[in-house]
Amino acid sequence: QVQLVESGGGVVQPGRSLTLSCAASGFTFSTYTMHWVRQAPGKGLEWVALISYDGSHKYYADSVKGRFTISRDNSKNTLYLQMNSLRAEDTASYYCHLTVTIGAGMDVWGPGTTVTVSS
Amino acid sequence: EIVLTQSPATLSLSLGKRATLSCRASQSVSSSLAWYQQKPGQAPRLLIYDTSNRATGIPARFSGSGSGTDFTLTISSLEPEDFAVYYCQQRFDWVWTFGQGTKVEIK
Repeated sequence: QVQLVESGGGVVQPGRSLTLSCAASGFTFSTYTMHWVRQAPGKGLEWVALISYDGSHKYYADSVKGRFTISRDNSKNTLYLQMNSLRAEDTASYYCHLTVTIGAGMDVWGPGTTVTVSS
Repeated sequence: EIVLTQSPATLSLSLGKRATLSCRASQSVSSSLAWYQQKPGQAPRLLIYDTSNRATGIPARFSGSGSGTDFTLTISSLEPEDFAVYYCQQRFDWVWTFGQGTKVEIK
């Protein structure tokens, strides 16, 4: 069973850092591009970042570029999101996302982890 | 960054009616557009990918069309479980983006 489980959320002061993790299971993690998506309370979905299967390509939303870093450890089947210089507007639930539209396809989301940036 | 604008913000319709949701891109995304449905407290559910391909298990009453900058999600006859928020997402650029969402509510 394909599963994604995020962890690492919490309450953090503005300007501080936090690292989120996403543990993947049930599929060959090292062969797929992975994404982070967030959703602020009561707001819409916001795509945050993607990383290619081997970690060689990384892309970010303008809102987080230069502050957030996506990475992966294929030996541990784990995706990361390092968040620096956090702002109040980064308060959201953060989701790990896998989407594949070739072959049988799959679109999988984790349950999310909540980040609250507040003094 | 490609901006997606969805309209209307809210759509109030009765059961059995046809729903037409629009998504406009700030530049061409070719056919690389997906639609998601989200209900309160739930993860998004992929409905349509590549403009018009239904994802696995999605009922035939959901259909997508368009190309370039203008796209439409149509629900042919609203069922009770279809009342939710719908998001379009472009996957053309390496930097993906979502629209702001359209809420479909019961009239």
